[in-house]
Amino acid sequence: EAQVTQNPRYLITVTGKKLTVTCSQNMNHEYMSWYRQDPGLGLRQIYYSMNVEVTDKGDVPEGYKVSRKEKRNFPLILESPSPNQTSLYFCASLGGGYEQYFGPGTRLTVT
Amino acid sequence: RKEVEQDPGPFNVPEGATVAFNCTYSNSASQSFFWYRQDCRKEPKLLMSVYSSGNEDGRFTAQLNRASQYISLLIRDSKLSDSATYLCVVISQGGYNKLIFGAGTRLAVHP
Repeated sequence: EAQVTQNPRYLITVTGKKLTVTCSQNMNHEYMSWYRQDPGLGLRQIYYSMNVEVTDKGDVPEGYKVSRKEKRNFPLILESPSPNQTSLYFCASLGGGYEQYFGPGTRLTVT
Repeated sequence: RKEVEQDPGPFNVPEGATVAFNCTYSNSASQSFFWYRQDCRKEPKLLMSVYSSGNEDGRFTAQLNRASQYISLLIRDSKLSDSATYLCVVISQGGYNKLIFGAGTRLAVHP
């Protein structure tokens, strides 16, 4: 089954404690993205990757890092999380025809 | 001004009603347009693409007005299961093909 997986699905953490959210897709897509979704603001792109070892900033990259060492994986790293990074995060990969396949989401709370 | 704007709603309609959503975009060079559906706390999923000549998929009709820079989604004979948030998506031509999401319009269909 074609899918994008994310882990963990829910995470409560404290300010400053480094965390990684994993993302994996099994569709051999080259283009992958991370978004955050906040009420009233919609989906905003954090980082994207056009292919292995090619990543670039989206609209709201501050406080985040990514890596793309393999085509299928695109982890999101928060080196020092802060409360303003409390949000719902989606990983996505882009298929033919510009259909974006989303992971199930990670709800992050930073206290 | 946001690149993609939608009326947030909520639109509360009875079963069987016809409801229409509009979405405006600011970049006149935008080439591709989509509607996504997002159920509460779930990931967005592609509902339909929007073609220049307009297109229909069962009870759903999408239209594009390039002159006025808006797209619309019409839902006929609303069902309870149509209750969701509908996201307007525009492909922005900015060095790479970037998907810009509207904040979404919430629809609630009641018995």
